[in-house]
Amino acid sequence: KQEVTQIPAALSVPEGENLVLNCSFTDSAIYNLQWFRQDPGKGLTSLLLIQSSQREQTSGRLNASLDKSSGRSTLYIAASQPGDSATYLCAVSLLGGADGLTFGKGTHLIIQP
Amino acid sequence: DARVTQTPRDKVTEMGQEVTMRCQPILGHNTVFWYRQTMMQGLELLAYFRNRAPLDDSGMPKDRFSAEMPDATLATLKIQPSEPRDSAVYFCASGLDAGQLTGELFFGEGSRLTVL
Repeated sequence: KQEVTQIPAALSVPEGENLVLNCSFTDSAIYNLQWFRQDPGKGLTSLLLIQSSQREQTSGRLNASLDKSSGRSTLYIAASQPGDSATYLCAVSLLGGADGLTFGKGTHLIIQP
Repeated sequence: DARVTQTPRDKVTEMGQEVTMRCQPILGHNTVFWYRQTMMQGLELLAYFRNRAPLDDSGMPKDRFSAEMPDATLATLKIQPSEPRDSAVYFCASGLDAGQLTGELFFGEGSRLTVL
């Protein structure tokens, strides 16, 4: 059974810092990996999707990398801003079938003004 | 602006009552997923559909939960009877399958259920 772990569970940093969120998964036979953002009381907003054949994806100040063989992904946030404060979730889908995404429990990020 | 729409946004009910949550997937998407989110367990998959056919509902308590997709624009999740342990946020997501594989998923805002 696929398990997804996110470290750290919570992170608080001053505004302007570059930071890295980590995600690991136990079964490397993935089809894709998605990073989501969730604001309090809200749904999940897709940030980046990385196909298993890709190494990284970039969107603005966000960069996600994927090392499928080691079962790891990182989300890099450059020049953090208070508006980046949210919970960031990592999720993977398996090659074994279209059975949805398996989620980590997220990293709760606070950017201090 | 294409998005997944869920109703109700908030529901407070008493134990034993029936609860129905509804989801309108993004037009053209062929897969629909129901997830439940709690502080303790995080996001758990309850059920999903492809081309309106139920594929897997092994994550649901079968004796009280049921999921249906009466047409391509509506998915429902019903709990009868509801229990306090069902209190959670229920999310619907839709996407386009890439063959038999899960593509990018788009989530609704969720239905927050409180069972007293």
